[in-house]
Amino acid sequence: SQQGEEDPQALSIQEGENATMNCSYKTSINNLQWYRQNSGRGLVHLILIRSNEREKHSGRLRVTLDTSKKSSSLLITASRAADTASYFCATGQGGSEKLVFGKGTKLTVNP
Amino acid sequence: DTAVSQTPKYLVTQMGNDKSIKCEQNLGHDTMYWYKQDSKKFLKIMFSYNNKELIINETVPNRFSPKSPDKAHLNLHINSLELGDSAVYFCASSQGLGTSGQTGELFFGEGSRLTVL
Repeated sequence: SQQGEEDPQALSIQEGENATMNCSYKTSINNLQWYRQNSGRGLVHLILIRSNEREKHSGRLRVTLDTSKKSSSLLITASRAADTASYFCATGQGGSEKLVFGKGTKLTVNP
Repeated sequence: DTAVSQTPKYLVTQMGNDKSIKCEQNLGHDTMYWYKQDSKKFLKIMFSYNNKELIINETVPNRFSPKSPDKAHLNLHINSLELGDSAVYFCASSQGLGTSGQTGELFFGEGSRLTVL
């Protein structure tokens, strides 16, 4: 069954604003990853957060993980038009090489 | 130098035909995957190989047959194509579980868009 569910499905903001996307999942995980997909392209890994971590930063990205609520959020600060893409969360489970993806959030950043 | 490359990028074919998609990675990874992305962008895992051994085989019709001749290559052959097979198929690779026992970062190809008419 599908693991991650992103929220919202679509988000439209102005350049310079912050964008927050949420991901909820159902079973226990060992890590959670975020990926970006530009239109017509493959997915690109953004950040990985392990189940024993609560927050992680990478450039303008901030990811939080709350294992008690089985949820994660991705914050993109000071967004740019080039951030326009779909963003997916993916969860890894113990002892398995399977990474299960959510349905994604489509982010549009208007110049 | 493309890390994960898959061919062809576009494939248009008639129902009932057989087609193959090829994937190669030059990252030295042990694990390779096939994912299917449908028209709603939902990405579903199909198969995974670790060092030429099949390790993940999701509920996929047996018309789909993966083959890994070596750990750098993973091909996907589809027999008797159906309309519902139309999708974008992504190949990916990773280091596998590694010493942490956790699935690491996946590196994706650019996708192969299959259209069945």
